[in-house]
Amino acid sequence: AQSVTQPDIHITVSEGASLELRCNYSYGATPYLFWYVQSPGQGLQLLLKYFSGDTLVQGIKGFEAEFKRSQSSFNLRKPSVHWSDAAEYFCAVGADGGSQGNLIFGKGTKLSVKP
Amino acid sequence: ETGVTQTPRHLVMGMTNKKSLKCEQHLGHNAMYWYKQSAKKPLELMFVYNFKEQTENNSVPSRFSPECPNSSHLFLHLHTLQPEDSALYLCASSRDRAVRTDEAFFGQGTRLTVV
Repeated sequence: AQSVTQPDIHITVSEGASLELRCNYSYGATPYLFWYVQSPGQGLQLLLKYFSGDTLVQGIKGFEAEFKRSQSSFNLRKPSVHWSDAAEYFCAVGADGGSQGNLIFGKGTKLSVKP
Repeated sequence: ETGVTQTPRHLVMGMTNKKSLKCEQHLGHNAMYWYKQSAKKPLELMFVYNFKEQTENNSVPSRFSPECPNSSHLFLHLHTLQPEDSALYLCASSRDRAVRTDEAFFGQGTRLTVV
C-alpha cells in the first residue's frame, strides 16, 4: 500500500540557517511526489512536485527537493530560512490513477523559526 | 488566493444540528475533492467527484453526505455529528481526476467544531 512518512513532527531552526525536512514514501511504481505548505488557518499551497526527469526539483519560495529512488526519499531543502517560512509542511504521493487531488499525505512537519 | 473558496471559514454545531459546508471554484475544473484534516493525523481524502459524478467514497460515515450539483460547486452536508468529527475540512479541485499531472488547488478550509 502507498504511504508517506515524515519522521520529524516538529523542527526548530534559526533564521538564516539551512533546512532539510525528511520524507520517505512507499510506492510500487515511479511515484508522483509533492510538497505542500500550510500556514496557520490556511489551506495547502503547492511548493514543488516531481513526476520524472531531473531528480532535483526547484519550487517556489526558494525551496528545492531531491528524489532519491534508492532511499525512497524526497527531502525538502532550503539554504537559508526566513521567519515567514514558519508553517506546517506536508509531503504527499499521488495515489494510483488519480490526479494531484487524489493524494496520500504524510502527517506533516511543523517548522518553527527562531529569530 | 487559489481560486477555491470555502464557506463558512468557521462553524460550531451541536450534535443534533444539520449544517452544510460549501466549496466553489471558477477555475474551469471538473474534479473536486473533500479532505478531512484532524490534529496529529494525515489529511484524509473523503470524497472525489469527477464531472459531477462521485468516483470515490473512502469509507466515510453516512452522517457526511456530499453533493456536487455542477462542476463548480461542492457541498458537504452534515448531520448528527460526533465530537471526533471536529476538524479542518478542506476542499480541492483539479482539471480532471484521471490526469495525474493536473495540479490540485486547495481552499482555505472550514474549521468545524462539534459540541
